[in-house]
Amino acid sequence: LAKTTQPISMDSYEGQEVNITCSHNNIATNDYITWYQQFPSQGPRFIIQGYKTKVTNEVASLFIPADRKSSTLSLPRVSLSDTAVYYCLVGDRSAGTSGTYKYIFGTGTRLKVLA
Amino acid sequence: NAGVTQTPKFQVLKTGQSMTLQCAQDMNHNSMYWYRQDPGMGLRLIYYSASEGTTDKGEVPNGYNVSRLNKREFSLRLESAAPSQTSVYFCASSEWLAETQYFGPGTRLLVL
Repeated sequence: LAKTTQPISMDSYEGQEVNITCSHNNIATNDYITWYQQFPSQGPRFIIQGYKTKVTNEVASLFIPADRKSSTLSLPRVSLSDTAVYYCLVGDRSAGTSGTYKYIFGTGTRLKVLA
Repeated sequence: NAGVTQTPKFQVLKTGQSMTLQCAQDMNHNSMYWYRQDPGMGLRLIYYSASEGTTDKGEVPNGYNVSRLNKREFSLRLESAAPSQTSVYFCASSEWLAETQYFGPGTRLLVL
């Protein structure tokens, strides 16, 4: 089970790029890296997922180095509405409907965007 | 398409009372999950169901039972509520186990 380590909190200003790094030293070969965002009083929401190198969607980019022992979520030009908790998860996506569910949410990174 | 729905939204129980939290999804997902989230903490997995007819324990299953009633519905039961079970409970579903999860709005439970 790949344990993840993230900073507890970060502050940023509107318009800046924010990078949140997640450490997962014992990531396994079949493991994917997934990031979720959670606003207060809401359930988490999927942001992005990747296996290696770089993944980009309309919301964020995910950078994964060759050794895959860490990953960085990049949020371009944040706004006040990006204030949320961000969770990094690592787990095997190939379980289908069998096997053991191995994702652990952890405590996440609390991002505060300031005006 | 409602996604994942949970009932009730809020509940107050006395110690020792029982209740069932209901969860339903309309995305034809195979896998469903129950989490709890204590104030300022991350989510902890209580139980999950990889597919209809199967359930498995997560990190914190003690004091809870679950039923995968059919493909759409996954309920969580507290047989004898304790103050330590005061929390926000989230249900989630995904197409397959460990795929992208879609979360419900949560149920806030207060046990006095």
